[in-house]
Order: sequence, then C-alpha cells, then structure tokens
Amino acid sequence: NAGVTQTPKFQVLKTGQSMTLQCAQDMNHNSMYWYRQDPGMGLRLIYYSASEGTTDKGEVPNGYNVSRLNKREFSLRLESAAPSQTSVYFCASSEYAGQGSYEQYFGPGTRLTVT
Amino acid sequence: GQQVMQIPQYQHVQEGEDFTTYCNSSTTLSNIQWYKQRPGGHPVFLIQLVKSGEVKKQKRLTFQFGEAKKNSSLHITATQTTDVGTYFCAGPSQAGTALIFGKGTTLSVSS
Repeated sequence: NAGVTQTPKFQVLKTGQSMTLQCAQDMNHNSMYWYRQDPGMGLRLIYYSASEGTTDKGEVPNGYNVSRLNKREFSLRLESAAPSQTSVYFCASSEYAGQGSYEQYFGPGTRLTVT
Repeated sequence: GQQVMQIPQYQHVQEGEDFTTYCNSSTTLSNIQWYKQRPGGHPVFLIQLVKSGEVKKQKRLTFQFGEAKKNSSLHITATQTTDVGTYFCAGPSQAGTALIFGKGTTLSVSS
C-alpha cells in the first residue's frame, strides 16, 4: 500500500497562475483533508471532505477550491496564485471524521513557491 | 474560536537530557492526538489519549491527558538524536469533523 500520495512534490508558480495539487489514498478512508504548513504556524486546515460527495471549509479556505473526485482522490486548486500561498501543502486521510477520533495519515507534501 | 496551544515553541537539549512539551486547549476535548514530524518529512501519528487522567508510554515517551481533558503533555526520557523533530498535539474541532493542531514544539538534540 502506498498510503497517501501527492503530486507534484515541488512547484514554482508565478503570481496569477493556476494549478491543481493532487492527492490520492489507497486505504479506503472516508475522510480527506488539505493543510498548509508555514514556519511557526503549525498545520492549518484549508478544506476537508468528511465523506465522498461532501466538502467543507477549514480555517484558511480563501484562495482555494477543492474537489472530492471519488473516494480515493481529493484535489486542491489555486485559481490565481499569490505569494502568500507559498507554503508546504499536506494532504491527509482518516477512516472517519467523527469526533476526530481517528488518526490521520499524511502524504509527503507539496512544496509550493509563488514568485 | 477554539484554540490548541503548545509550549515551548523550540527546545534544545543535550543528548541524554529529558524533554517535555505541553499542550493546552481552550475547550474540553473528547480525545487528544500526538504527531511527530521529522525535518523535511510529514506528520506521523504517535498516539491518542481518550480518558481523563490517562497516561500511556511508548518506550522513552510518556503521554498524559489532564484530569479536566483540557491539557496534555509529552515527556521524553533520555533524549536521543533520533528524537529530533517537531511534536504536534491535536484535538477534535467542536463540530467533531476535523482536528485542530497546536503550532508544535521543535526539538533539537546535540550529541
């Protein structure tokens, strides 16, 4: 099992460009999450999908959109990248989202730089 | 809004010294989870505590959940260079559908 995979691993964008970060999990998990990590800020939730067919905003959703394509895949789209979106992006999955009682499995991350 | 706070932000120790990081929540938690992130890596789940006053051990790591279920700690005995990384605590959001992470404590160890 590969667990949680993310593509690409690294990306450099110019301001205003768009891109989609891909995430897939092979653990048959129901819930998936997108976080961003900035120095000294910990992990901040962007969007999550508690189950296939649903998505909800997290703490920092502005400038992002998501698609839960199927049970395995959850993508994050930056429509018009800004330097403030320079960050490391992690996708995670868990069996369920109920009461946060399920451990989350993280992908290796995408390191994004917006110039 | 709901907050999970961790102290200290950074800690440097000599190999063999002990280390403790503390986690405090603004709300009562149904459970708390701890994760470790090695430099350049991704967070990896360590443990979950559920009961008030619960104490769990993993080799040199001791995890505690406070009686009021609003705080937790991670203590490492006799640190090793392999303990280097950032330790995060996380508690469920009030809606119960996501985790709220603390900002983490970054541990460095010199030999």
